[in-house]
Amino acid sequence: RKEVEQDPGPFNVPEGATVAFNCTYSNSASQSFFWYRQDCRKEPKLLMSVYSSGNEDGRFTAQLNRASQYISLLIRDSKLSDSATYLCVVATSGTYKYIFGTGTRLKVLA
Amino acid sequence: DGGITQSPKYLFRKEGQNVTLSCEQNLNHDAMYWYRQDPGQGLRLIYYSQIVNDFQKGDIAEGYSVSREKKESFPLTVTSAQKNPTAFYLCASSIGLALTYNEQFFGPGTRLTVL
Repeated sequence: RKEVEQDPGPFNVPEGATVAFNCTYSNSASQSFFWYRQDCRKEPKLLMSVYSSGNEDGRFTAQLNRASQYISLLIRDSKLSDSATYLCVVATSGTYKYIFGTGTRLKVLA
Repeated sequence: DGGITQSPKYLFRKEGQNVTLSCEQNLNHDAMYWYRQDPGQGLRLIYYSQIVNDFQKGDIAEGYSVSREKKESFPLTVTSAQKNPTAFYLCASSIGLALTYNEQFFGPGTRLTVL
């Protein structure tokens, strides 16, 4: 079983739609969680950290479910510019190892 | 502007040659990392460094070498021993230990192609 798993997609959604991605992790000791966005042939950029209580940043909402060991990302009112690959990243505090999922590809269609 | 720079952006190498990829950061971060990304795969850790003059192997260190003589610099050498070096190489840094919410920041990457 991979340490971090994501549905590769692609998720093809119309503009204005709401879309959600999940990411599961296998190490119950994981304590740091992040969502990154990666555009084609570019570097990953931090979208948001995921807090235990969940957090929201504009149209983006991240949730953590420790019991089921997954994190989620919800995007509301999708824009064409949201088209990208979304990477889930998990780390165990006190280590230097960040584990990356393979990413979920989102295409927002006009 | 604070950030991470990598050079060159594109690099072509003949088989049997060693090449060195540059990574510099002015974020005053202690930890630096090198990753490799292949199509359809997640980022894989090559080497990381927690502090000057110290570095550790990641998951795929064979055929690579690094140095950390200065806090802001962490160059990666791809040696001729690396069997399949064509990939997108990403350098990252973080403040230090992966403490809660301690995110990594990435440079723009170097795309290496072996001819």
